[in-house]
Amino acid sequence: DTEVTQTPKHLVMGMTNKKSLKCEQHMGHRAMYWYKQKAKKPPELMFVYSYEKLSINESVPSRFSPECPNSSLLNLHLHALQPEDSALYLCASSQRLAGGTVTDTQYFGPGTRLTVL
Amino acid sequence: GEDVEQSLFLSVREGDSSVINCTYTDSSSTYLYWYKQEPGAGLQLLTYIFSNMDMKQDQRLTVLLNKKDKHLSLRIADTQTGDSAIYFCAEAYNQGGKLIFGQGTELSVKP
Repeated sequence: DTEVTQTPKHLVMGMTNKKSLKCEQHMGHRAMYWYKQKAKKPPELMFVYSYEKLSINESVPSRFSPECPNSSLLNLHLHALQPEDSALYLCASSQRLAGGTVTDTQYFGPGTRLTVL
Repeated sequence: GEDVEQSLFLSVREGDSSVINCTYTDSSSTYLYWYKQEPGAGLQLLTYIFSNMDMKQDQRLTVLLNKKDKHLSLRIADTQTGDSAIYFCAEAYNQGGKLIFGQGTELSVKP
């Protein structure tokens, strides 16, 4: 089973709202990722968690706040977003992070389509 | 720095073979990936190849890797309308989980 699930599938929010995106995997993976994707563009990495600790933050604005409460769950808390933050938010997981000459395959979820009004 | 390039569009007839090309710059890449994205969906892992391999075949998919020229290709045999999607190649940048994606090739399959 290589399934990563994401909820909700669609989200519409105003600029003053607070909402959260949720990602879950039960593959025993210890690395989890958040990506942002605009239409017909490649995904852009936002955050990487390794063993529940934040490993990479790609200079993402603080209105996006990630959280990894346990090895299966990854959340993205949203607050005071801007219309340009509207995008598809993808979660991915891999067994672990790359190290030395080892790289791990990332499996993606179906995404949350976010619209900020 | 690292960079991955793909042509943006490819149009083929149903039943023909499709070949999607990709070039990359990081010679230390160990894994190279092909992902498929249908409209409104997430990225589906199609296949991947280790950098010490030249070719990998998986049913209708054939991946060729020319490490000297840093060129990767994905061949889809007997292309079907269900293969219409955007195809991303990606290299694993060897620093803690980062994937470097190409811009994606939009494959259009005409009946």
